[in-house]
Amino acid sequence: EAQVTQNPRYLITVTGKKLTVTCSQNMNHEYMSWYRQDPGLGLRQIYYSMNVEVTDKGDVPEGYKVSRKEKRNFPLILESPSPNQTSLYFCASSLSSPPQETQYFGPGTRLLVL
Amino acid sequence: KQEVTQIPAALSVPEGENLVLNCSFTDSAIYNLQWFRQDPGKGLTSLLLIQSSQREQTSGRLNASLDKSSGRSTLYIAASQPGDSATYLCAVRPFYNQGGKLIFGQGTELSVKP
Repeated sequence: EAQVTQNPRYLITVTGKKLTVTCSQNMNHEYMSWYRQDPGLGLRQIYYSMNVEVTDKGDVPEGYKVSRKEKRNFPLILESPSPNQTSLYFCASSLSSPPQETQYFGPGTRLLVL
Repeated sequence: KQEVTQIPAALSVPEGENLVLNCSFTDSAIYNLQWFRQDPGKGLTSLLLIQSSQREQTSGRLNASLDKSSGRSTLYIAASQPGDSATYLCAVRPFYNQGGKLIFGQGTELSVKP
């Protein structure tokens, strides 16, 4: 089944403890990106990747890192999480870069930073 | 700066009604517009994508229209069912942004009563 998967789906952590949220797609998509969703602010792009080893900042990149060593994977790294990074995170992918077609979203990762 | 607005924020209808959800955007320079469905605490499911050169797209009981010049899109749901209850989000892919980001509206929360 063609899909975008994220792990973990739920995560509770403490301030300063490094964590990684994985994202993987099995559709051979070139483009991948990360969003966070917050009440009243909607969805905002964190980082995106046009292809392997090509990443760039979105609108809210502070406190996050990404890497794209393989086409199918695009992990989101929080080196030192803070409570203001408590949010619902979504990974998305699309066939071409920049995306001209439907962007497919993963199931989301709900993160709570204490 | 592109802004996307969805009105109403919430809508409750009896089962079987036809309904229209509205989406407006401030800048007509877009590649495409995408409608999503989001169930509580869940991911985003893509419903329809309309390219900027298209006027409408249909999938089953759903029909989405796009009037780029006036900055409007509508999502028409025919013969609504309780299973249609969810939050519906529209998102535009701005022409000016090569990072491929989508700009989302705040969503319309739909409740279909049996």
